[in-house]
Amino acid sequence: DQQVKQNSPSLSVQEGRISILNCDYTNSMFDYFLWYKKYPAEGPTFLISISSIKDKNEDGRFTVFLNKSAKHLSLHIVPSQPGDSAVYFCAASTGNQFYFGTGTSLTVIP
Amino acid sequence: NAGVMQNPRHLVRRRGQEARLRCSPMKGHSHVYWYRQLPEEGLKFMVYLQKENIIDESGMPKERFSAEFPKEGPSILRIQQVVRGDSAAYFCASSARTEAFFGQGTRLTVV
Repeated sequence: DQQVKQNSPSLSVQEGRISILNCDYTNSMFDYFLWYKKYPAEGPTFLISISSIKDKNEDGRFTVFLNKSAKHLSLHIVPSQPGDSAVYFCAASTGNQFYFGTGTSLTVIP
Repeated sequence: NAGVMQNPRHLVRRRGQEARLRCSPMKGHSHVYWYRQLPEEGLKFMVYLQKENIIDESGMPKERFSAEFPKEGPSILRIQQVVRGDSAAYFCASSARTEAFFGQGTRLTVV
């Protein structure tokens, strides 16, 4: 049973535009959420996180939004750059166990 | 503070041999996860372990695959009698309360 879902396997965006990656979860006990970025032949690297007591966290071009009532998490990248092309994973934690989505492949077109 | 260390980075095995993949978690992390990425696919959960305990192995194939995380030493993912379909990248992650980090992965090739 997949508790963290990324329903879009891929996304293409023009350079300079906004990229929006989405993630849904089912467990209301999750209290911490994270996004990871993965390039080919490398392990996923941590990108940005948010606690369940917040609804927004921003770090440069990256902003994560949390909608607890909808159990929905999104990552906004603006402006998108070709170097952002990668697979993005969301993750959620109960404070004990982490659960990861299966990833969305983002392609930023120059 | 070294990150999550996986070794070897690349492993070649002939069909029928055993593959052992090692994962040393970050210092202070007592939770380890193993994921597999098949070609052209996303990360698939395999197993979640704490020290000396398997907590969730719902993603592990029923046969030939096993995992352990002993009190001392790295976590080991063991694949017995490998077949071509086991060729994949295997990633481990370790976590503490609000952080989880991945290793660089082991790329297993079965020839």
